[in-house]
Amino acid sequence: GAVVSQHPSWVICKSGTSVKIECRSLDFQATTMFWYRQFPKQSLMLMATSNEGSKATYEQGVEKDKFLINHASLTLSTLTVTSAHPEDSSFYICSARERGYEQYFGPGTRLTVT
Amino acid sequence: AQSVAQPEDQVNVAEGNPLTVKCTYSVSGNPYLFWYVQYPNRGLQFLLKYITGDNLVKGSYGFEAEFNKSQTSFHLKKPSALVSDSALYFCAVRDIMGYGNNRLAFGKGNQVVVIP
Repeated sequence: GAVVSQHPSWVICKSGTSVKIECRSLDFQATTMFWYRQFPKQSLMLMATSNEGSKATYEQGVEKDKFLINHASLTLSTLTVTSAHPEDSSFYICSARERGYEQYFGPGTRLTVT
Repeated sequence: AQSVAQPEDQVNVAEGNPLTVKCTYSVSGNPYLFWYVQYPNRGLQFLLKYITGDNLVKGSYGFEAEFNKSQTSFHLKKPSALVSDSALYFCAVRDIMGYGNNRLAFGKGNQVVVIP
């Protein structure tokens, strides 16, 4: 149980284009979903927290207009990186929480912007 | 804000030897503590948690952790390490936000290398 999927697992895009990453909870309903960014050999940096049907709450320093988060249902959240630049290249990981305190993580999406 | 510290960057251990990954915490109130493991280019896998109850918590893949309130520690342990345990290990604590969401505050991570 408690499986979270992400799609795509890796993506390469050109600078200036937008990329959408999907996060799905496969066998449970996620009351809250989280989006993280991770640089090589570093810890996870929380970007935003989203609850189904409401606007995401962004961490300080994260641009809301650049990283668009939509949490349309209890099993799906999407992160859209708009007008991507090479500095947006990173490993993006989502997680989902049901009722307990632990989060269940997706496998991550490797974004490379050329 | 709640926080955890993982003082070591890398832990090297011989296969078959006991493995310990250290974590200390700083919280106001009761700590809710977690351990996760990350394999290369993968997301994090939940290992175990301490919310309340017994100080010794047993988790997945033969791992356990001991909650020590007096030392504010939550070290991860495994009696006999396997080469397949080589990975990045994260300690985390629940960080209650003003808007009511329970987010996790992660430590920097420890690279564990199990030597055959």
